[in-house]
Amino acid sequence: GAVVSQHPSRVICKSGTSVKIECRSLDFQATTMFWYRQFPKQSLMLMATSNEGSKATYEQGVEKDKFLINHASLTLSTLTVTSAHPEDSSFYICSAHGRTGGSYEQYFGPGTRLTVT
Amino acid sequence: GQNIDQPTEMTATEGAIVQINCTYQTSGFNGLFWYQQHAGEAPTFLSYNVLDGLEEKGRFSSFLSRSKGYSYLLLKELQMKDSASYLCAVRGQAGTALIFGKGTTLSVSS
Repeated sequence: GAVVSQHPSRVICKSGTSVKIECRSLDFQATTMFWYRQFPKQSLMLMATSNEGSKATYEQGVEKDKFLINHASLTLSTLTVTSAHPEDSSFYICSAHGRTGGSYEQYFGPGTRLTVT
Repeated sequence: GQNIDQPTEMTATEGAIVQINCTYQTSGFNGLFWYQQHAGEAPTFLSYNVLDGLEEKGRFSSFLSRSKGYSYLLLKELQMKDSASYLCAVRGQAGTALIFGKGTTLSVSS
């Protein structure tokens, strides 16, 4: 199956700093990337949807100025958590949607564990 | 609105069969997905149903009834490694994000 990578897999940062998470589709072009976060013992919550070359659409309650999403190419989307706080500590997972093998599919990345101290 | 319900926790013993139910109310329907997630890891894809009926894949099967807004995941011959969280997710329209239920934590004991 198609592969989606995320970098870094784990990151620890200090409160007030910014962290960038990359999501790459390795063998297909992702027309749409979805960003989720998951707090401990909870399910995945959709944060935003980004289409290549256009502004991301954020879900209700997600601050667009705090979680900056850039989808500059068909294989790369980035999520930047600005002025991180301990409550932003979470598991961030991207999902890439695109055409592989003749059909449109959606694949999840391995996730990024963010810890803000 | 959108709502996906599944039990919070289930327990079972090795070798047994367990059925995890999922009911959903969504605006639009373009497929129901089941994922397995072990603690600290990303979800892994188990099954996909878009038409009514049963999809079988080894020890795992998934059933869908669109008219009832209902699905279940059936796990047979349970193994200890099946202890995990099982997530039911619905896609409302093609190309849109999956909306996840809260997940069912399954504990398999010997």
